[in-house]
Amino acid sequence: GNSVTQMEGPVTLSEEAFLTINCTYTATGYPSLFWYVQYPGEGLQLLLKATKADDKGSNKGFEATYRKETTSFHLEKGSVQVSDSAVYFCARQTSYDKVIFGPGTSLSVIP
Amino acid sequence: EAQVTQNPRYLITVTGKKLTVTCSQNMNHEYMSWYRQDPGLGLRQIYYSMNVEVTDKGDVPEGYKVSRKEKRNFPLILESPSPNQTSLYFCASGLNYGYTFGSGTRLTVV
Repeated sequence: GNSVTQMEGPVTLSEEAFLTINCTYTATGYPSLFWYVQYPGEGLQLLLKATKADDKGSNKGFEATYRKETTSFHLEKGSVQVSDSAVYFCARQTSYDKVIFGPGTSLSVIP
Repeated sequence: EAQVTQNPRYLITVTGKKLTVTCSQNMNHEYMSWYRQDPGLGLRQIYYSMNVEVTDKGDVPEGYKVSRKEKRNFPLILESPSPNQTSLYFCASGLNYGYTFGSGTRLTVV
């Protein structure tokens, strides 16, 4: 079926460490892919997106590349900050009326 | 500022007492949606609307109603709330390239 799988959290990193949060999807067709971030006590915010294979989405130092051959959209950041502590959701959309979210990965960055 | 506004942010109510959570967007989006977020269950879609007067069920519509009389507003109605509807609710609007979410409504039904 159609789903989005993310690595299990929580993830705890020291400041300036390298971050990778894995995301894989199953879908028919060619979905658009997204990463959303939810800071404590807030709603989700769109972090970055990619709409076709080999596209790279980037924002605030985060990057993710749409890999059709591995059906993946892993989120990376070279040097995390305490302010990056949040829950990160991978999502995919194949039709106008349906977005599927992954379960979310909680990230804590410690000084 | 482009935004989705939900009200109230927090609500405690009793079982069976009808309530409405409002959602309004100022971006002229056709598509709007409601989600609930529960620990261990992630985000689940309740209802969505592709345009005025067009609404459809999401994954967990039982116990909820919606209406879309105007493009900007998409209220969520709980006719007879029950404790299993205690949750964090989010309204979202947007097009094909990403949603804009409201700040959430934390509902407790006792």
